[in-house]
Amino acid sequence: KAGVTQTPRYLIKTRGQQVTLSCSPISGHRSVSWYQQTPGQGLQFLFEYFSETQRNKGNFPGRFSGRQFSNSRSEMNVSTLELGDSALYLCASREGPGANVLTFGAGSRLTVL
Amino acid sequence: AQSVTQLDSHVSVSEGTPVLLRCNYSSSYSPSLFWYVQHPNKGLQLLLKYTSAATLVKGINGFEAEFKKSETSFHLTKPSAHMSDAAEYFCVVTAAGGTSYGKLTFGQGTILTVHP
Repeated sequence: KAGVTQTPRYLIKTRGQQVTLSCSPISGHRSVSWYQQTPGQGLQFLFEYFSETQRNKGNFPGRFSGRQFSNSRSEMNVSTLELGDSALYLCASREGPGANVLTFGAGSRLTVL
Repeated sequence: AQSVTQLDSHVSVSEGTPVLLRCNYSSSYSPSLFWYVQHPNKGLQLLLKYTSAATLVKGINGFEAEFKKSETSFHLTKPSAHMSDAAEYFCVVTAAGGTSYGKLTFGQGTILTVHP
């Protein structure tokens, strides 16, 4: 069974640009969540999608957005990038909101210059 | 509401000695608790989980954790550390009911260093 796949694994952007990250969950998993990980703030929850609907949202500005497609694949977008957006962005999937165990992808490391 | 506190940001041990990573939690509902491990530049991997069955939970790579409701703790232990255990460890809580249903709350992480 393939794991959670995140693309791209590494990317470099400049301030003001936007970025789109992609996440393909484990087959059969319908819930996808996103986390930002930085040395200073640790792991912070961004949002979770289930059946193409955002179910939970963390405390991030509107520049951070996401969506989920009918095949459960998810994308997150960050617009007007700031230096502080440099982070490892982790995607995780689970069967549904009631399932406890998350399976994480390897992450997308974003560097903003 | 729910929260997780990992009591140590860094733990350093010698290879072959015991490991103890401490985690306290708070939850208004019956919690499920997890430990995840993250090696450098990798995603998080599930070590073990507690979901209201046996209070002593065994995980992968020789790790285990004990759920103590009276102490609201879920400490992670391993009898003998190995160099490959060096990583960051996260304690996670999720609630089975209320407005926090399905929401996972992560601790701040504990970096484990293993010396030869």
